[in-house]
Amino acid sequence: SQQGEEDPQALSIQEGENATMNCSYKTSINNLQWYRQNSGRGLVHLILIRSNEREKHSGRLRVTLDTSKKSSSLLITASRAADTASYFCASYLIQGAQKLVFGQGTRLTINP
Amino acid sequence: DAGITQSPRYKITETGRQVTLMCHQTWSHSYMFWYRQDLGHGLRLIYYSAAADITDKGEVPDGYVVSRSKTENFPLTLESATRSQTSVYFCASSFEGGSEKLFFGSGTQLSVL
Repeated sequence: SQQGEEDPQALSIQEGENATMNCSYKTSINNLQWYRQNSGRGLVHLILIRSNEREKHSGRLRVTLDTSKKSSSLLITASRAADTASYFCASYLIQGAQKLVFGQGTRLTINP
Repeated sequence: DAGITQSPRYKITETGRQVTLMCHQTWSHSYMFWYRQDLGHGLRLIYYSAAADITDKGEVPDGYVVSRSKTENFPLTLESATRSQTSVYFCASSFEGGSEKLFFGSGTQLSVL
């Protein structure tokens, strides 16, 4: 079973626009992470937000976490063609701390 | 080169054959993981290891065997490959596991005919 569920499953926007992806999870977590996967490649870690944090920034990335709603969002501002990739949220369950569980991802396409 | 490497990059095998996927990391990370990625299922954890000689099952361990005699290597063996094991396999490592980020290899695309 999947801990995280991303929404939407696919997103297509114009270059320069902002992209927002959402992630919902089911059980208590100690942190939530976002990863990017370019086609045919491995996943690359983008950002980690801990359960006691509400917002975190890294360059053009902004992540929010709402533990009361068990949800997180990833905002990419001023998108570029190079941002075209799949984006996954992942969380460590408090009770199974060694197991990072991934959602099914959002496929983001940036059109030039 | 430093990092985490997987081999082979592509593998085609037949049903019933034994296949071993290799994973090697140069960071001396304690934790290593094997995931499989399938359309409609995302990434699912097969096995993980907290240290040499310590391994544990993930979500989908059936049909797979792992070993970790050295910290840097974490091979995954399919004892008798089945078509349902056709997938892309990713190895990952982290310094402490727990709440740490993972570093992924480039993956092995396995086809079982």
